[in-house]
Amino acid sequence: SQKIEQNSEALNIQEGKTATLTCNYTNYSPAYLQWYRQDPGRGPVFLLLIRENEKEKRKERLKVTFDTTLKQSLFHITASQPADSATYLCALDMRRNTPLVFGKGTRLSVIA
Amino acid sequence: DTEVTQTPKHLVMGMTNKKSLKCEQHMGHRAMYWYKQKAKKPPELMFVYSYEKLSINESVPSRFSPECPNSSLLNLHLHALQPEDSALYLCASSQGPSGNTGELFFGEGSRLTVL
Repeated sequence: SQKIEQNSEALNIQEGKTATLTCNYTNYSPAYLQWYRQDPGRGPVFLLLIRENEKEKRKERLKVTFDTTLKQSLFHITASQPADSATYLCALDMRRNTPLVFGKGTRLSVIA
Repeated sequence: DTEVTQTPKHLVMGMTNKKSLKCEQHMGHRAMYWYKQKAKKPPELMFVYSYEKLSINESVPSRFSPECPNSSLLNLHLHALQPEDSALYLCASSQGPSGNTGELFFGEGSRLTVL
């Protein structure tokens, strides 16, 4: 079965630095890979989606890469701010009548 | 602000109670989902409705009973729950039917505590 790993449970970085979160998967490459932000006690909020034939996607201070050879996606937040502190979830979107598979998430803390 | 509305935000119930969680979306989405999330864990899929029909049931115990009265509403009926069922219950919707997911729009969740 498909497995997904976000290999840092928690990540602390200094304000202004770039945060890089990693998402690795096994077996088949998903058609899409999605990233969500979740604040404590609230529902996840969609951030970015990247297709298997795209190498990079950007949105404001966010950048996502997708390497199907390495079976890995990287999620970057540049010029990080304390307000970026949250849990970030990646999710495999296999299409083909299967629901999203969520990773366990990485809890990011940006320290002022 | 989320466009998926869940009520109630908090619910405390005893093991013999019957209660319901409600979810509503007016984005014209054709798929609706129930997820269960425990602390520091990812959301865990319970049910998917696609075009108002139950399309996925992830082997959820029968004490959880979903209902989709129409394309905008999704309910989760709760009966004879156990303390370990205490969790954040999330509703979500997506534009396409399940299997053609696209992004999920989540509600704020209903925090359930079973005593």
